[in-house]
Amino acid sequence: GAGVSQSPRYKVAKRGQDVALRCDPISGHVSLFWYQQALGQGPEFLTYFQNEAQLDKSGLPSDRFFAERPEGSVSTLKIQRTQKEDSAVYLCASSALAGANVLTFGAGSRLTVL
Amino acid sequence: GENVEQHPSTLSVQEGDSAVIKCTYSDSASNYFPWYKQELGKGPQLIIDIRSNVGEKKDQRIAVTLNKTAKHFSLHITETQPEDSAVYFCAAKGDTGRRALTFGSGTRLQVQP
Repeated sequence: GAGVSQSPRYKVAKRGQDVALRCDPISGHVSLFWYQQALGQGPEFLTYFQNEAQLDKSGLPSDRFFAERPEGSVSTLKIQRTQKEDSAVYLCASSALAGANVLTFGAGSRLTVL
Repeated sequence: GENVEQHPSTLSVQEGDSAVIKCTYSDSASNYFPWYKQELGKGPQLIIDIRSNVGEKKDQRIAVTLNKTAKHFSLHITETQPEDSAVYFCAAKGDTGRRALTFGSGTRLQVQP
């Protein structure tokens, strides 16, 4: 596609619910990153995929967070048993080559946990 | 790991004036320093980047300078326009260790017409 597409753009969840956020990167891009952006803050790294391999998940805040990219294209970030502190914008970015050089970001998915 | 500090957090300038945003980083192995612009409701967009083998890079009204010895880099915007109003983020990355960008906390730039 022309850009990185994320869905849903907005998600409201009750505390304890599971959510799934989808990222459709630019076609053919090797690298895919997930970032979490709290209100008024810079993006914080969550996890990195090179094709289908999850090479770095050191930024995932707890074992409630899980990400996958099974066919090396679309990726899903899943948050189980959501907590209020999970409320943030979740950004997905892709890059044509391995590693984070020229990143193209999606518009993000804004998660609000009540 | 890498730590990136950015200041000021907010900056207000008159249209036509220059704006300067500064960042410092902690990891001397970092060698790639991009700047992103984020408008309300959108994802960050790359506006300029610099690698450690150069000290300055310019693209029309924007320029970035890098001082590797002091571990700081700056974004300069000249002849500011109202459409430059946005949040700007600096970031840093090295080739070893974490492969992801580490971002600063952002600068909200307001250009007054």
